[in-house]
Amino acid sequence: GAVVSQHPSWVICKSGTSVKIECRSLDFQATTMFWYRQFPKQSLMLMATSNEGSKATYEQGVEKDKFLINHASLTLSTLTVTSAHPEDSSFYICSAGYEQYFGPGTRLTVT
Amino acid sequence: DAKTTQPTSMDCAEGRAANLPCNHSTISGNEYVYWYRQIHSQGPQYIIHGLKNNETNEMASLIITEDRKSSTLILPHATLRDTAVYYCIVRAASDMRFGAGTRLTVKP
Repeated sequence: GAVVSQHPSWVICKSGTSVKIECRSLDFQATTMFWYRQFPKQSLMLMATSNEGSKATYEQGVEKDKFLINHASLTLSTLTVTSAHPEDSSFYICSAGYEQYFGPGTRLTVT
Repeated sequence: DAKTTQPTSMDCAEGRAANLPCNHSTISGNEYVYWYRQIHSQGPQYIIHGLKNNETNEMASLIITEDRKSSTLILPHATLRDTAVYYCIVRAASDMRFGAGTRLTVKP
């Protein structure tokens, strides 16, 4: 049990476009989901905490208008990277629930 | 900021026990010690967690010192598949903040 999926697993997009990443808890409900970003050879950095039915809480330095988070149901949270730039290229990972079951990650490359 | 200190890297021979230390000298009374690992280009995998007592599961054992200022994760019989970055995290509330972790390399 406690499986978290992410879609897509990898995506390449052009600079200036937006891309949406989905995080789903497959066999449990999660009031809270978390979004992390990881650059090569670095640790995970918490970007935001997503709460079902309310606004996400963003960490200091993370632009909420650039990284739009929607947690519309107890099993789905989405992260939209708006107007993506090459420096947004990273590995985006979500986790769900208090125990923080992690998804497999989404590798975003912006060209 | 992460509240833990771990060695940057460690090596271990296949079949031997891997002992990964973690210092968390500022841990609060209500904070748990969690261990995760991350194999290259994958999401972190939960290993074990504890508050003050030693814990054991099918993956590993967690030894927490009596003053709770440090802990050791023990993989009893390391295999090549255990090569990964291991993260020690202390947490009380729902969010979880990762430090740099220890890169464990299991060698044949």
